[in-house]
Amino acid sequence: QVQLKESGPGLVQPSRTLSLTCTVSGFSLTSYGVSWVRQPPGKGLEWIAAIWSGGSTDYNSALKSRLSISRDTSKSQVLLKMNSLQTEDTAMYFCARSGYTPFDYWGQGVMVTVSS
Amino acid sequence: DIQMTQSPSFLSASVGDRVTINCKASQNINKYLNWYQQKLGEAPKRLIYNTNNLQTGIPSRFSGSGSGTDYTLTISSLQPEDFATYFCLQHNSFPFTFGSGTKLEIK
Repeated sequence: QVQLKESGPGLVQPSRTLSLTCTVSGFSLTSYGVSWVRQPPGKGLEWIAAIWSGGSTDYNSALKSRLSISRDTSKSQVLLKMNSLQTEDTAMYFCARSGYTPFDYWGQGVMVTVSS
Repeated sequence: DIQMTQSPSFLSASVGDRVTINCKASQNINKYLNWYQQKLGEAPKRLIYNTNNLQTGIPSRFSGSGSGTDYTLTISSLQPEDFATYFCLQHNSFPFTFGSGTKLEIK
């Protein structure tokens, strides 16, 4: 069945770079896109970035200068890098699949805390 | 960016009640509106896509309606497993944006 699972460091120091991995199963990254979405504690959801089935990418313009999304199709993984982290980047980070319509399946999320 | 205003933020209801949750977009989103259910510690689950299409496997007590800027999720008869947080997503244009969520609690 379709599954997405996020993984990451949990705790990151301010100004450092965050690296997150979304490992998928049950579908091919060459057939579906994957997005990253985050949710700060007690706040709403924010779409961050997407990589589409053809390999093209889109970014939230508010974060674009700090982001990089890529994929390794041989490992069924989507990678997100975010630099210059601040405390405001503390959030639950989700990955979600997009096919004909977006975000049909989501992972459970990974909590990232930015703190020294 | 399109702003999604979701209401109410909190809703207290009983098993068997009919409830509605609303999302209002800051501009026409052409029915590109999805609804999700989120429970603590679980992956969000898509209920409805493109305003009124029921996701496979979702009970028929969930339904969606709307057009233009105004959209509604209706749960016709609440079941115990429906007490959760619900949110909407517009995917008419980038960046995709979400409603702020509605926490549905047991009265």
